[in-house]
Amino acid sequence: DAGITQSPRHKVTETGTPVTLRCHQTENHRYMYWYRQDPGHGLRLIHYSYGVKDTDKGEVSDGYSVSRSKTEDFLLTLESATSSQTSVYFCAIGLNSPLHFGNGTRLTVT
Amino acid sequence: GQNIDQPTEMTATEGAIVQINCTYQTSGFNGLFWYQQHAGEAPTFLSYNVLDGLEEKGRFSSFLSRSKGYSYLLLKELQMKDSASYLCAVRVGQGGKLIFGQGTELSVKP
Repeated sequence: DAGITQSPRHKVTETGTPVTLRCHQTENHRYMYWYRQDPGHGLRLIHYSYGVKDTDKGEVSDGYSVSRSKTEDFLLTLESATSSQTSVYFCAIGLNSPLHFGNGTRLTVT
Repeated sequence: GQNIDQPTEMTATEGAIVQINCTYQTSGFNGLFWYQQHAGEAPTFLSYNVLDGLEEKGRFSSFLSRSKGYSYLLLKELQMKDSASYLCAVRVGQGGKLIFGQGTELSVKP
């Protein structure tokens, strides 16, 4: 177990509402990542962080923002959720070693 | 652009050998990873290749040819518990970011 906790594990929300997903790690890794996983697309990188307050965009960042105020926490926010953001969201940590993934958050936007 | 291709589905028989292929075209290459993902769970790391050749780890082996942009994962003595999705991923540039293929769903039949 790489010490990664995602919360919540499941969430149902309505279109247009804000949603924040949390990733918490106990490994003191500098690098943290948010991916989404959809059928037919595999895992796609949304945003990543390389330190406190240091973040950058991935390949599918539109509609998402992130914050990293502490080493252990990386937050993903959907400012105004849309049905296309229904997905499973995975947080990961790591740099030169293989990435280790959290157990995921299943988000449904109705 | 970044492109990683692997077959969508494969079926094999318990006790047999199966080879899952992955081809990639990426801007930059800093290693190739294979992950296993059971339904509803997080991806877990299986193997890593950064130099050409074969890496063996128990029943699992992975091969890389950088000049051909090609890798395969070989699973021997298949067991029912090997039924899962197998994800090929390439690390590009600095920062540990992984680009994933869409995954190969392997079904092991008795």
